[in-house]
Amino acid sequence: AQSVTQLDSHVSVSEGTPVLLRCNYSSSYSPSLFWYVQHPNKGLQLLLKYTSAATLVKGINGFEAEFKKSETSFHLTKPSAHMSDAAEYFCVVSAIMNYGGSQGNLIFGKGTKLSVKP
Amino acid sequence: KAGVTQTPRYLIKTRGQQVTLSCSPISGHRSVSWYQQTPGQGLQFLFEYFSETQRNKGNFPGRFSGRQFSNSRSEMNVSTLELGDSALYLCASSLRAAGRTYEQYFGPGTRLTVT
Repeated sequence: AQSVTQLDSHVSVSEGTPVLLRCNYSSSYSPSLFWYVQHPNKGLQLLLKYTSAATLVKGINGFEAEFKKSETSFHLTKPSAHMSDAAEYFCVVSAIMNYGGSQGNLIFGKGTKLSVKP
Repeated sequence: KAGVTQTPRYLIKTRGQQVTLSCSPISGHRSVSWYQQTPGQGLQFLFEYFSETQRNKGNFPGRFSGRQFSNSRSEMNVSTLELGDSALYLCASSLRAAGRTYEQYFGPGTRLTVT
């Protein structure tokens, strides 16, 4: 079965400093991984996705993530935090059937709340 | 291109009642998935519809049901509401093809409060 673990429930950074949100995954097959962001009282917005192409994935708003198979990690980074980045971030893996095909649903981590101090 | 729309945005119901939520996917997307978000359980998958057929179901009781119409619009229904059904219900749409994983695009959600 697939699963994701977000290692920090809350991360606080100062504006202009780097952001690191950590995610480990578990999957029997080559996974499809995503990062979504949710601002208060809003739906989920796709930040970036990894689907077995380049291991360094660039997303929107300056975010990027690196897929590391040996470490089963997919950490999200941004060089310089902005106040508007304050939100909850979800690491997500696509569920896979036992033969490796996509099952069509997403499995979410518990989320990391990012606070950005002025 | 218009995004995923959900109606209504907010609902207040009484325990024991039933409720129907609606979702219109992005044009051209034929797969619609539903998720429940609560503070305690996080985001959990309810079910997925594709070509008017339920393709996949999460671990929820039979009180939760859904359907999809020929224009890909989807509805979910919750019967005999319980206090624990209070949640944000999110709908997502995507392309779908065998052997491929497509990203899902989410609507703003319907906030259901059961009193």
